[in-house]
Amino acid sequence: AQKVTQTQTSISVVEKTTVTMDCVYETRDSSYFLFWYKQTASGEIVFLIRQDSYKKENATVGHYSLNFQKPKSSIGLIITATQIEDSAVYFCAMRERVSGTYQRFGTGTKLQVVP
Amino acid sequence: DTTVKQNPRYKLARVGKPVNLICSQTMNHDTMYWYQKKPNQAPKLLLFYYDKILNREADTFEKFQSSRPNNSFCSLYIGSAGLEYSAMYLCASRPTGGREQYFGPGTRLTVL
Repeated sequence: AQKVTQTQTSISVVEKTTVTMDCVYETRDSSYFLFWYKQTASGEIVFLIRQDSYKKENATVGHYSLNFQKPKSSIGLIITATQIEDSAVYFCAMRERVSGTYQRFGTGTKLQVVP
Repeated sequence: DTTVKQNPRYKLARVGKPVNLICSQTMNHDTMYWYQKKPNQAPKLLLFYYDKILNREADTFEKFQSSRPNNSFCSLYIGSAGLEYSAMYLCASRPTGGREQYFGPGTRLTVL
């Protein structure tokens, strides 16, 4: 069965610095998709970035990038040059490519960016 | 337009009364999901439709109903609300072959 674990419940960083949020996952499938989402203060969940397991290159979108370590079943989210508006809860999720029809989410990491 | 809409945004319900939440999308996505989100917890999948086929999670099978009269519309129905149903309910959709899901803004349900 698939499982997604985020052990960091909350992180606080100073504006304009870099932060990394951890996520580990469990799956029996050899091919899967990994996602990071952001939940805003209003509760809305917004897709940020995706990593396909069969791609070796780490995905990058804007100031978001991923640190994909397949042997460790780990997919970290890196936010560079953090801004106050990056303060939110970040969720990691996974969906198996063949057998998966829905995503399994982690419990989230609350990020606070302070001036 | 990757917009998923949900109505209402806020819902107040009494214990024992029914609740009906609505989700719509005009992207022609064939899969639509309903999640329950409580504070400090992961979004929990309740059920999803792939086209007209409804799939419900085993542990919420009897608590939630749903209908999808057409490709754009999906509802979530609670027959008799309990206090434990207070949560954010998130609808999402995904196109065939698509990877990520697109979420609606959510409906915050409070049961009193």
